[in-house]
Amino acid sequence: AQSVTQLGSHVSVSEGALVLLRCNYSSSVPPYLFWYVQYPNQGLQLLLKYTSAATLVKGINGFEAEFKKSETSFHLTKPSAHMSDAAEYFCAVSDHNQGGKLIFGQGTELSVKP
Amino acid sequence: DAGVIQSPRHEVTEMGQEVTLRCKPISGHNSLFWYRQTMMRGLELLIYFNNNVPIDDSGMPEDRFSAKMPNASFSTLKIQPSEPRDSAVYFCASISQEPGELFFGEGSRLTVL
Repeated sequence: AQSVTQLGSHVSVSEGALVLLRCNYSSSVPPYLFWYVQYPNQGLQLLLKYTSAATLVKGINGFEAEFKKSETSFHLTKPSAHMSDAAEYFCAVSDHNQGGKLIFGQGTELSVKP
Repeated sequence: DAGVIQSPRHEVTEMGQEVTLRCKPISGHNSLFWYRQTMMRGLELLIYFNNNVPIDDSGMPEDRFSAKMPNASFSTLKIQPSEPRDSAVYFCASISQEPGELFFGEGSRLTVL
């Protein structure tokens, strides 16, 4: 069965600091991997996705993630945090035969301090 | 593009009442998903449809929950009878042609007293 584990339910950084949100996956087949962001009282929005092309994936708002098969990881990074990045971030996995079915991690809440 | 539309946005009801949540997916999307979000369990997939047919309902908690998709532009999630532990935000999402790019509605926040 596929699953994702997000390390750290809450991460706090200062404005301008590096953002690193960790995600490890478990999958018996080559996975598709995703990061979604959820702002308060809203639904989830896609940040970026990995679908077996380039291992370094760039997304919206300056975020990027690197697929590392050897580490079964797909960590999300951003060089410089903005106050507007404060939100909850979800890593998700699906396989090629699940018709779009996504399994989400527990989420990491990102706080950005001025 | 109107996005995925859910109603109601908020519902407060009493235990034992029937609750119906509604979803209109993005036109042209052929798969629709219902998720439930709680603090304790995070985001749980309840059921998903492909071309209006339920494909996987293994996440539906129990027989009190049912979902239908009578046509490509409408789906309902019904809870009967409702219980306080059903309190959560229920999200509907539909998928574009690309795998995994789910578009979410803004959710229906259900409170069962």
